[in-house]
Amino acid sequence: RKEVEQDPGPFNVPEGATVAFNCTYSNSASQSFFWYRQDCRKEPKLLMSVYSSGNEDGRFTAQLNRASQYISLLIRDSKLSDSATYLCVVINAGNMLTFGGGTRLMVKP
Amino acid sequence: NAGVTQTPKFQVLKTGQSMTLQCAQDMNHNSMYWYRQDPGMGLRLIYYSASEGTTDKGEVPNGYNVSRLNKREFSLRLESAAPSQTSVYFCASSGEGWMTEAFFGQGTRLTVV
Repeated sequence: RKEVEQDPGPFNVPEGATVAFNCTYSNSASQSFFWYRQDCRKEPKLLMSVYSSGNEDGRFTAQLNRASQYISLLIRDSKLSDSATYLCVVINAGNMLTFGGGTRLMVKP
Repeated sequence: NAGVTQTPKFQVLKTGQSMTLQCAQDMNHNSMYWYRQDPGMGLRLIYYSASEGTTDKGEVPNGYNVSRLNKREFSLRLESAAPSQTSVYFCASSGEGWMTEAFFGQGTRLTVV
């Protein structure tokens, strides 16, 4: 079993839709969690950190469920520009970053 | 502010050739990483360095060596390139603390023929 798992998608949604992705992690000692965004043939960039209490940044909401060992990302009012691959990242002891395989989102007009 | 700089951006090698991918960061980060990303796949960790002079194997270290000679630079070497090493290679760095952001270089697109 991979340490960090994501549904690869693609998720095809119309503009204005709400879409949610989940990411599961296997190491219960994992300490920090992030969502990164990666555009085609570009380097990943931080979208948002995921805090225990959940956090929101505009149209994006991230949640952490430690009991079930998953994090989620909710995107409201999807825009064409949201089309990208969303990568879940987990940091364990030793500050090592482990990436999920990514979930591809396609927002259609 | 340059952030993380990788060179070269593109490279074509013949099977059996060797090369070194260079990475430098100017953010005074302790941790540096090398990942590879195959088409349609996520990032897989090749090697990791928690501080100057230390390195650890990641998920896919076979066929690679690394060197962390100073805090700024972390290089990745392919001693005898194979077609299976055709990939995009990303270098990253991160600072201290649990909620620290990782910054990535622009990637090196390597083709081994």
